[in-house]
Amino acid sequence: IAGITQAPTSQILAAGRRMTLRCTQDMRHNAMYWYRQDLGLGLRLIHYSNTAGTTGKGEVPDGYSVSRANTDDFPLTLASAVPSQTSVYFCASSEYKTGPDTQYFGPGTRLTVL
Amino acid sequence: GQNIDQPTEMTATEGAIVQINCTYQTSGFNGLFWYQQHAGEAPTFLSYNVLDGLEEKGRFSSFLSRSKGYSYLLLKELQMKDSASYLCAVRDGDYKLSFGAGTTVTVRA
Repeated sequence: IAGITQAPTSQILAAGRRMTLRCTQDMRHNAMYWYRQDLGLGLRLIHYSNTAGTTGKGEVPDGYSVSRANTDDFPLTLASAVPSQTSVYFCASSEYKTGPDTQYFGPGTRLTVL
Repeated sequence: GQNIDQPTEMTATEGAIVQINCTYQTSGFNGLFWYQQHAGEAPTFLSYNVLDGLEEKGRFSSFLSRSKGYSYLLLKELQMKDSASYLCAVRDGDYKLSFGAGTTVTVRA
C-alpha cells in the first residue's frame, strides 16, 4: 500500500511556464487537499476536494487550479508560474467524516520558480 | 479565518520533558490536531482532541481547553529522534484544517 504519492519530487521551473503537480492516493479517501509550506508560515491550504467531482478554494488559491475527475487523483496546476510560488507543496487526503478525520500527507514536491 | 500561535523553537535535553503550547482563535471548532514533521519529510499525525482534557498516547500527551482556546503537547522521556517540528492544527466549522507555523524542538544529548 503506497498511501499518497506525489510527482515530481522536485522541480526547477522558469517563470511563466505551466506546471502540473500530480497527487494519487490508494486509500479510497473521499477528501483531498493541496497545501504549500513556506518557512515561518506553516502549511496553508490552496484548494480542496471533499469528494470526486467537487473542488473548493482554500486560503491561498490565486494562481492555482485543481480538478478531481476521480477518487484517486487530484492534480494541482500552476497556469503561469511566478517566483512567489516557490515552495514545498504537500498533497493530503482524508475520509471526510466526523470525529478524528485524520489527514494523511504525501511526501511533498519541492518547487523552485526562477 | 483562524489565528494559531505556537512558539518558534524549543530546546531540551534527552530524557527530559517538553511542553509545546498552542493558542487559537477560530470561527467554529471541530477538533485540534498535533502533527510531527521531521526535516524534509511529510507531517505525520500525532494526536486529536475535540473535548476538554488530556489524551495520552505513550510518551506523548495532548491537552485541550476549548473555553481558553488553548492546547499543549507534552513530550516525555525525550529521545534524539523526537527532534522535529510539531504542528498545531485546528479544524474549523467547514472541516478545514488551519495550521500554526510549527515549533521546532531540538533534543540535545
